[in-house]
Amino acid sequence: GAVVSQHPSRVICKSGTSVKIECRSLDFQATTMFWYRQFPKQSLMLMATSNEGSKATYEQGVEKDKFLINHASLTLSTLTVTSAHPEDSSFYICSVETSGGANFDNEQFFGPGTRLTVL
Amino acid sequence: SQQGEEDPQALSIQEGENATMNCSYKTSINNLQWYRQNSGRGLVHLILIRSNEREKHSGRLRVTLDTSKKSSSLLITASRAADTASYFCATDDNDYKLSFGAGTTVTVRA
Repeated sequence: GAVVSQHPSRVICKSGTSVKIECRSLDFQATTMFWYRQFPKQSLMLMATSNEGSKATYEQGVEKDKFLINHASLTLSTLTVTSAHPEDSSFYICSVETSGGANFDNEQFFGPGTRLTVL
Repeated sequence: SQQGEEDPQALSIQEGENATMNCSYKTSINNLQWYRQNSGRGLVHLILIRSNEREKHSGRLRVTLDTSKKSSSLLITASRAADTASYFCATDDNDYKLSFGAGTTVTVRA
């Protein structure tokens, strides 16, 4: 499997500020990472697919200009929530996909998540 | 988009009892996976069952898959307090993305 870390684990910010969340694959070179959002007592909703060296692919309804994703290396993807508002408060989780594109089984390994609270 | 639906939404059992939860989905899949999430934490992969498999075991976990009914079940035998968590099924429909169910919250009472 892959070991995935996220930083920070929790962040509190004022409305209107931007927040950057890092997702690192510690022992696996990840071509593809995923970003999810989870509201309290709800399931994970896929926000976007982060591809190393290219633009992220966003799910329907997710604003790409609000949630900026950068996957500049095989071990790091960042999600920046721009001009955050209270409704952006959520638990953001990243994952690493380890099949490397030679997919038969898309098994993902998840980071510990980042709790964002926007005041 | 979210594909799976799980039931029950919540389950409370006594330590030592078995816990069963079900997942239904809508489209054809490549595989179905079960994950566990402890409160406020990330997800831990439990088991993956491929579309051509009907049953799989891993320790105290047993997963079944019925593709004709588009459903899967997860059985945890001899539950322990440490099994208290939310359990999610996720389907892979061969586009490298996972669609998660709503989850079942399991509470194991000591």
